[in-house]
Amino acid sequence: KAGVTQTPRYLIKTRGQQVTLSCSPISGHRSVSWYQQTPGQGLQFLFEYFSETQRNKGNFPGRFSGRQFSNSRSEMNVSTLELGDSALYLCASSPRAFQETQYFGPGTRLLVL
Amino acid sequence: AQKVTQAQTEISVVEKEDVTLDCVYETRDTTYYLFWYKQPPSGELVFLIRRNSFDEQNEISGRYSWNFQKSTSSFNFTITASQVVDSAVYFCALTAGANSKLTFGKGITLSVRP
Repeated sequence: KAGVTQTPRYLIKTRGQQVTLSCSPISGHRSVSWYQQTPGQGLQFLFEYFSETQRNKGNFPGRFSGRQFSNSRSEMNVSTLELGDSALYLCASSPRAFQETQYFGPGTRLLVL
Repeated sequence: AQKVTQAQTEISVVEKEDVTLDCVYETRDTTYYLFWYKQPPSGELVFLIRRNSFDEQNEISGRYSWNFQKSTSSFNFTITASQVVDSAVYFCALTAGANSKLTFGKGITLSVRP
């Protein structure tokens, strides 16, 4: 079975722009979660989607948003980029929900200049 | 609220040494799951082990073993006969209640020297 895939793998943007990251979960997995990893804050939870509904959201500003499609693929969007948004964005999928093992993709490295 | 503490930040060992990575967690939920993930330089988080709050039985899987003690809220991970390929950042994580959110510790950078 193919693992979680994320595109693009690397991205360079400038302040004020917006960006969309994509995640394809493991086949059959219906839950997708997003995490931000920075050297200062570590790994932080952004949000989780299950059956096209956002079930949980972390403590991030409204500039961070996401969605899930009927095929369980997910996208996250960051608008009005700030320098501090430079990070590794990791997507994880799990079969259903609640305390199941989450399997992570390779991440998208975003650099904001 | 949940919290995971990994007091060790960096560990350096020589190949074939055993190494234990410490993890202490906090949660008020009685049902929770604990995880260890490995992050090599490529960046992808690789799942290693998972334990639920109702099963304190400690196990060994190949070169990996773990010690889960609810009395001390600890979930330590041991690599036996370490190898250079074990060099990575290791994260302990917790999910609790009716929630899929993973709360991670700060990670431990393990360097295994030949």
